[in-house]
Amino acid sequence: RKEVEQDPGPFNVPEGATVAFNCTYSNSASQSFFWYRQDCRKEPKLLMSVYSSGNEDGRFTAQLNRASQYISLLIRDSKLSDSATYLCVVNTGKTDKLIFGTGTRLQVFP
Amino acid sequence: EPEVTQTPSHQVTQMGQEVILRCVPISNHLYFYWYRQILGQKVEFLVSFYNNEISEKSEIFDDQFSVERPDGSNFTLKIRSTKLEDSAMYFCASSEGPLAAYNEQFFGPGTRLTVL
Repeated sequence: RKEVEQDPGPFNVPEGATVAFNCTYSNSASQSFFWYRQDCRKEPKLLMSVYSSGNEDGRFTAQLNRASQYISLLIRDSKLSDSATYLCVVNTGKTDKLIFGTGTRLQVFP
Repeated sequence: EPEVTQTPSHQVTQMGQEVILRCVPISNHLYFYWYRQILGQKVEFLVSFYNNEISEKSEIFDDQFSVERPDGSNFTLKIRSTKLEDSAMYFCASSEGPLAAYNEQFFGPGTRLTVL
């Protein structure tokens, strides 16, 4: 089983749509969870950390379900500029190694 | 805003040659990392470095790889004898402190390595 698993997409959505991405992780000892954004041929950039209670940052909402080992990202009111690959990332807490999923590609069209 | 920088942006080399990829982490950061991403694949951890020594390395980071902080600003990744399968984007990252203390890892723009 992959350490971090994501649907590769692509998700093609119109501007203004709401889109949700899911991610599962295999190591139940994982402690920290993140969503990164990666534009084509660019470096990953932290979008948001994911906390146990769930957290919101503007149009973005992240949820964590430790029992199901599942993380989600919801994007409301999609913008053209949201087009990118969204990477689910976990860390076990024992080291500083980030473990990346393969990413889910989002394409927002006018 | 401070950022991690990497040089060169693209390196082309012949199989068997040595390459050195250079990174300048953010100036007050103490933890340094290298990751790589083969085209179309996920980002993979290579090595972490703190207090002038390797703190963790992955299975990918074999004897052909080494890291060094030769001075107070640079952090380098050396591949001694490149193979075709080393072709990838190599990202350097740095953080002020450990992840456990809620420190973000900031990534550089990457060096695209092409081995012919």
